[in-house]
Amino acid sequence: DGGITQSPKYLFRKEGQNVTLSCEQNLNHDAMYWYRQDPGQGLRLIYYSQIVNDFQKGDIAEGYSVSREKKESFPLTVTSAQKNPTAFYLCASSRWEQEISEQFFGPGTRLTVL
Amino acid sequence: DAKTTQPPSMDCAEGRAANLPCNHSTISGNEYVYWYRQIHSQGPQYIIHGLKNNETNEMASLIITEDRKSSTLILPHATLRDTAVYYCIALDRRRGSQGNLIFGKGTKLSVKP
Repeated sequence: DGGITQSPKYLFRKEGQNVTLSCEQNLNHDAMYWYRQDPGQGLRLIYYSQIVNDFQKGDIAEGYSVSREKKESFPLTVTSAQKNPTAFYLCASSRWEQEISEQFFGPGTRLTVL
Repeated sequence: DAKTTQPPSMDCAEGRAANLPCNHSTISGNEYVYWYRQIHSQGPQYIIHGLKNNETNEMASLIITEDRKSSTLILPHATLRDTAVYYCIALDRRRGSQGNLIFGKGTKLSVKP
């Protein structure tokens, strides 16, 4: 089955530790995105990548880092510089041809920093 | 991207049609109207999108007004599993745009037995 996988579903970390969230897609999509969602709120864009080895900051990139070494993978690192990292993190992907296609989302990772 | 406005919540009886409105009075000619929904603690699910014409798929219908300033998502026979937050989003699909979805707070639809 084609889709987007995120792991783990729940993640707990101590304050001050970096943590990396995984996102893999087998849809052959060029573009991938990371969003953050806080309780009762909509999604906010952290980073996005339209092509391998290239990525752009979104609206709330401070305290986060990404890499895009393979088309299928777009891991997100939440660093200790992120002041309020506890949130629900969502990864998405889309085609990027003549036009951008609709985005498809993974199941999300809920990060809790203790 | 254009801002959209939706009511914060709506109720619908099971088996009846759910009509979810969205205002997007500042939408540009290049922006599509997209609808997603999010069931609690899951990733958003794509429902439907359109530019000018009304659209229908296996999940829903999308009615866009002629002036494109508003639209309505119609779930023809709502079930309890349709209880979710529904997001209406205006998106510029051209390659030069960022391509990200700007989510507001959406409409929380509660389908009741």
